[in-house]
Formats: sequence, structure tokens, C-alpha cells
Amino acid sequence: GEDVEQSLFLSVREGDSSVINCTYTDSSSTYLYWYKQEPGAGLQLLTYIFSNMDMKQDQRLTVLLNKKDKHLSLRIADTQTGDSAIYFCAARGSQGNLIFGKGTKLSVKP
Amino acid sequence: SAVISQKPSRDICQRGTSLTIQCQVDSQVTMMFWYRQQPGQSLTLIATANQGSEATYESGFVIDKFPISRPNLTFSTLTVSNMSPEDSSIYLCSASSGGELFFGEGSRLTVL
Repeated sequence: GEDVEQSLFLSVREGDSSVINCTYTDSSSTYLYWYKQEPGAGLQLLTYIFSNMDMKQDQRLTVLLNKKDKHLSLRIADTQTGDSAIYFCAARGSQGNLIFGKGTKLSVKP
Repeated sequence: SAVISQKPSRDICQRGTSLTIQCQVDSQVTMMFWYRQQPGQSLTLIATANQGSEATYESGFVIDKFPISRPNLTFSTLTVSNMSPEDSSIYLCSASSGGELFFGEGSRLTVL
């Protein structure tokens, strides 16, 4: 079945850009998602990209999709301490459900 | 976008009891899902809640343990039956609206 992999930790300095990477295995995934989870909170949908796109930008967030390599990335420009959270990559399967990666914990140092 | 409300938001339960979690969406949605997030882990799909028919369960999850109802296009319930400490988790409801999938805030269950 579908598998989604992402690195577990990323540490950046405030003001720098953060890039969180993700790979997935199912080339038929129609949508790919990025969610943010702060401690004790639910999942906040940050952005998503349809599989026929290769880039999507939304304010400080840029999503890049390399469908050939099944590689997805999330870039956060001008990272702030409020961006510290766990970021989950997810791929949408053929049944409509999401398969999640294990999450990348982003730590932002002042 | 869809706003999803779950209740209870948290509960402490005794071993052997059952608890029903409710999920209400503020608009009609085609698909609803239930996920589990064990402490420090990612999300695992329990089942797809189908309107008007039995839920579709993922491998490792069974209807007797996690009965699900979905009586209409905006509401679903998940029951965690005969709970044990291993069931201590966050249970999240998700709903699909077009390409977007939204999540409730989750129900944090602690089983003693």
C-alpha cells in the first residue's frame, strides 16, 4: 500500500527559510497535503496540491511537487517561532482517505 | 471549508467501559473518516464512515471494537468499546469537501 516518508526533525533560526521534505510511493495519489499540529491541538490544513501541478504558493508557504520522483516539499519563508510545530505530509489514496507520514518536528530558534 | 466539531474533547475512562465520540460537520460532506493518533505517533486510519451503510474498516480495526454510525451527511459517531489502556489515544474525525480534508480538534481519551 501507500507509504509516506518524511524526516523527523528540522531546526532552523528565526527569519530563515524552512524546507520540509516528503516522499510517497503511490503514483496515483491525486492530492498531497501538508498539515500542522501544535502541541495538544488537532490538525490544521496548511495547503494542498493537486497531482497535475508542480508548484503552489500561498503567502509564506510554497509547495513543490516532483511527480516523477514522488517528492513533495514545503518551504516556509521567514520562519517564526510560532511556526514551531509538527508538520505532517499526507497523500490521498484511491479510496479518498489520507495516508500520513510520521511528521517532522520543526523547532525555530530565536 | 468545513468546520468540524468533536465531543467530548477529552475524557478519562475506566477499563472495560465504552465511550462514544460524536463528530458534527457544519456542511454536507461526501466522505467522513475516523483516525487514531497514539501518543507521539502519526495518524492511522480506523475506518471510512459511509452514509447509510456499514463503515469500511482498515486492517487491524474491527466493527465490534470500533462501531461507527453515519446517519446523515453531516454527522458520525465512533464508539471505542471495552476499553483498555492501549486505547488511550487521540481520536480524530475528518471530512472531505472537494479536494480538501479537514479535521476536528480530536478527542483525547485516557483509559485507566
